[in-house]
Amino acid sequence: DIQMTQSPSSLSASVGDRVTITCQASQDISNYLNWYQQKPGKAPKLLIYDASNLETGVPSRFSGSGSGTDFTFTISSLQPEDIATYYCQQYDNLMYTFGQGTKLEIK
Amino acid sequence: EVQLVQSGAEVKKPGESLKISCKGSGYSFTSYWIGWVRQMPGKGLEWMGIIYPGDSDTRYSPSFQGQVTISADKSISTAYLQWSSLKASDTAMYYCARQPTGGFDYWGQGTLVTVSS
Repeated sequence: DIQMTQSPSSLSASVGDRVTITCQASQDISNYLNWYQQKPGKAPKLLIYDASNLETGVPSRFSGSGSGTDFTFTISSLQPEDIATYYCQQYDNLMYTFGQGTKLEIK
Repeated sequence: EVQLVQSGAEVKKPGESLKISCKGSGYSFTSYWIGWVRQMPGKGLEWMGIIYPGDSDTRYSPSFQGQVTISADKSISTAYLQWSSLKASDTAMYYCARQPTGGFDYWGQGTLVTVSS
């Protein structure tokens, strides 16, 4: 199984801050990495697919980068509505693994 | 409009069986994989497995292989997740989601399963 190590597990930041979350795969996954946002009581929402592609309708302050084993998710200017838990997810030959999640709070 | 509508919340006793559903609409149901994801109370997302309704090709996470069965009825555009003998540890929210390529782009609203004696 491919394991995903996501960090930090929680993060407190101020409105307007630049926020970065990282995800590391236990082996090379090329660019097969997605990022999701989950707000309390809601289903997850796809933000970034294939490491760096912004899903349709997602604000441009969200971005992703990386390939191989190391990936980064960035919010360029944190907004109050971005309070949520964020997950990375890898996929390899129709097998998927989620990271442990990062809970983002407003300072 | 693409929609995945899941069946309602369930309360079951340990040892009982259960089958929950996920009905797709607004797209070609047989052309996209449908995955299932578990979220235990206060915990993260866990991928359980995935099915291609077009030919019922199914893959399971090793963690869930043998514990659940994923199936689909393409005639009614519905995917299923079932248990033959529930345990208290199966208490969770279960989501279905559509997978075009890569990410899961549309999600159901979730089905809460509570297993308690």
